Amino acid sequence: EAQVTQNPRYLITVTGKKLTVTCSQNMNHEYMSWYRQDPGLGLRQIYYSMNVEVTDKGDVPEGYKVSRKEKRNFPLILESPSPNQTSLYFCASSSAGGPHSSYNSPLHFGNGTRLTVT
Amino acid sequence: AQKITQTQPGMFVQEKEAVTLDCTYDTSDPSYGLFWYKQPSSGEMIFLIYQGSYDQQNATEGRYSLNFQKARKSANLVISASQLGDSAMYFCAMWEAGGSYIPTFGRGTSLIVHP
Repeated sequence: EAQVTQNPRYLITVTGKKLTVTCSQNMNHEYMSWYRQDPGLGLRQIYYSMNVEVTDKGDVPEGYKVSRKEKRNFPLILESPSPNQTSLYFCASSSAGGPHSSYNSPLHFGNGTRLTVT
Repeated sequence: AQKITQTQPGMFVQEKEAVTLDCTYDTSDPSYGLFWYKQPSSGEMIFLIYQGSYDQQNATEGRYSLNFQKARKSANLVISASQLGDSAMYFCAMWEAGGSYIPTFGRGTSLIVHP
């Protein structure tokens, strides 16, 4: 089954304790991205990646890191989480292959990770 | 200025009736795609329907159709024969071909279907 898998679904941690949220897709998609969803603010993109070793900042990258060492995996790293990073996080992938083919490629989302930082 | 505007924070509909969720967008790019996603209370984001800026016909997928009015820059989602399971948040999104690789999402509309 074609899917985007992210883990864990729920995570409670303390301020400053490094954490990683994993994301994997089995659709051979080149484009992958991370979003956070907050009440009243909708979905905001954190980082995206167009291919292996190619990543770029989205709208809200501060406090986050990503890496894309393999095509299927795109982990999100919070080196020193803070309470304002408490949110619902989504990983998404798309078959978007370039600037003129991205606009007709829907994003396929993982099931979300609900992160609480105390 | 917001690129995607969903003016209805909440909508109510009777089961088996049709409902229209509004979405207007703002772009100067001639090539773009418009998407609708559903987010039930369980939290996952489900892709529903896509409309390309060059598509002549309105997109349809089962009970979902997209009322695309290009000149008015609107892309309203129509759900026919509403079901209780349609109760969810609905997000409109746009991806511009010539822009960055960052699709823009609206703030969402909460739909509640009454029995």
